[in-house]
Amino acid sequence: EVQLLESGGGLVQPGGSLRLSCAASGFTFSSYAMSWVRQAPGKGLEWVSAISGSGGSTYYADSVKGRFTISRDNSKNTLYLQMNSLRAEDTAVYYCAKVRYMITFGGVIRLDAFDIWGQGTMVTVSS
Amino acid sequence: SYVLTQPPSVSVAPGQTARITCGGNNIGSKSVHWYQQKPGQAPVLVVYDDSDRPSGIPERFSGSNSGNTATLTISRVEAGDEADYYCQVWDSSSDHYYVFGTGTKVTVL
Repeated sequence: EVQLLESGGGLVQPGGSLRLSCAASGFTFSSYAMSWVRQAPGKGLEWVSAISGSGGSTYYADSVKGRFTISRDNSKNTLYLQMNSLRAEDTAVYYCAKVRYMITFGGVIRLDAFDIWGQGTMVTVSS
Repeated sequence: SYVLTQPPSVSVAPGQTARITCGGNNIGSKSVHWYQQKPGQAPVLVVYDDSDRPSGIPERFSGSNSGNTATLTISRVEAGDEADYYCQVWDSSSDHYYVFGTGTKVTVL
C-alpha cells in the first residue's frame, strides 16, 4: 500500500525552528518528486515547497523562501522540511504529497498533480 | 504571481449537477488538477491534467479547461460529495511554483 506518514509537528516559539519528516512506503521513492503543502486553521491549501526525485532541484513559495529548506534521503525513503525563523503565520497543518511525475523539456520544468497525500502534522507557532 | 479564483460556495440538490469554476489568466494553456477535501481529512485528487480521473474516482467527476476558466463537474451529486474542492496548476512562466485556487465549499441540500 502506498503511504506517506508525517511527523515532527508541535508547538514552537516565534523565531524558533522545527524539522518535519515524511516517511514514504509502497512505491519507489527516489523516482518521484515530492512536495509539502500547508493549511492554516480554517483556511485553504497553500503550496510550500517541492523537490525532484534526485533532490537536485528544489522549489519554494515566496512566503517561505530563505527560511524553509526541503530535502530528502532516498536511502531512508524520507522527505524533510527544515523550518527556521518561524512566524505565527506559519501555523498550519503540514501535508507531504507525492507528485505524479516531473518532466523537463526544452528547458521547461513541469510538475504534475499530487496523487498521494499524508495525513498531516500540526505546527503551532506561538509564545 | 498567478492567481486562481473559485466561487466560495456552491449548493446543489441530490441527483443534480454541480459545476465548480476555477478562473485564471489563460488557464486553458495549463494543466489543471482538482482535489476534494472533507473535514478533518487530507485532500484527495479527483481530476488531473484537466479531465483525467485517478483510479477509484467515480465517473461522476469530470473536468474541462478552456480559455480563462477550468470547470469541475460533479454529476448525480450524492451526500458524500459534500466537501471543499480546490483547483491547482503548476506555473513556470516566470518562476516555478504551484498555485492552489481559493477553494469552493460544495453543500448538498
